[in-house]
Amino acid sequence: NAGVTQTPKFRILKIGQSMTLQCAQDMNHNYMYWYRQDPGMGLKLIYYSVGAGITDKGEVPNGYNVSRSTTEDFPLRLELAAPSQTSVYFCASSYGTSGRGTQETQYFGPGTRLLVL
Amino acid sequence: GIQVEQSPPDLILQEGANSTLRCNFSDSVNNLQWFHQNPWGQLINLFYIPSGTKQNGRLSATTVATERYSLLYISSSQTTDSGVYFCAVRGAGNMLTFGGGTRLMVKP
Repeated sequence: NAGVTQTPKFRILKIGQSMTLQCAQDMNHNYMYWYRQDPGMGLKLIYYSVGAGITDKGEVPNGYNVSRSTTEDFPLRLELAAPSQTSVYFCASSYGTSGRGTQETQYFGPGTRLLVL
Repeated sequence: GIQVEQSPPDLILQEGANSTLRCNFSDSVNNLQWFHQNPWGQLINLFYIPSGTKQNGRLSATTVATERYSLLYISSSQTTDSGVYFCAVRGAGNMLTFGGGTRLMVKP
């Protein structure tokens, strides 16, 4: 298993440009997440998905969009990039059960380093 | 939302020393995880431990859910233990909230 994969590893964007960060997992996890990590800080949740076709906002969703058309893929779209979006972006996945909302161990991808100039 | 505080923020150890990292949280949790972020930025899950005690080699963790804290113990530290240790918790919702981390440097 490749686990959680992310592309690209590094990208430089100009202000106002758009891009899509790709995330895929091959563990058949139903939950997937996007986080951002600013320098010297912890991770903040941008968006998450509990299954194909279902997405929800996290703590810092402004300026981003997501979609979840398959179990495996969870792309993050940046529209009109701003310098404040310079960060490292991590995708993660986990197996969760409905009802009590139990979610177990989260597995992280290697991250995408984004610089907006 | 739930608050997560980690201490100490920074820690420097000599190789072979032991250490205890602490995570305090402000509300009841259904999920608590400890992660290690290595100097290359990779995040590795160490423990899923909403309550009780677990051990994995030189690392162990204890969560006392009723008193809203968790401890991560590192024994006989090695230089490869360097990096940032994060505690993350989930309360009633679906979101995992991360603490600010403890930066550990182990010197040879």
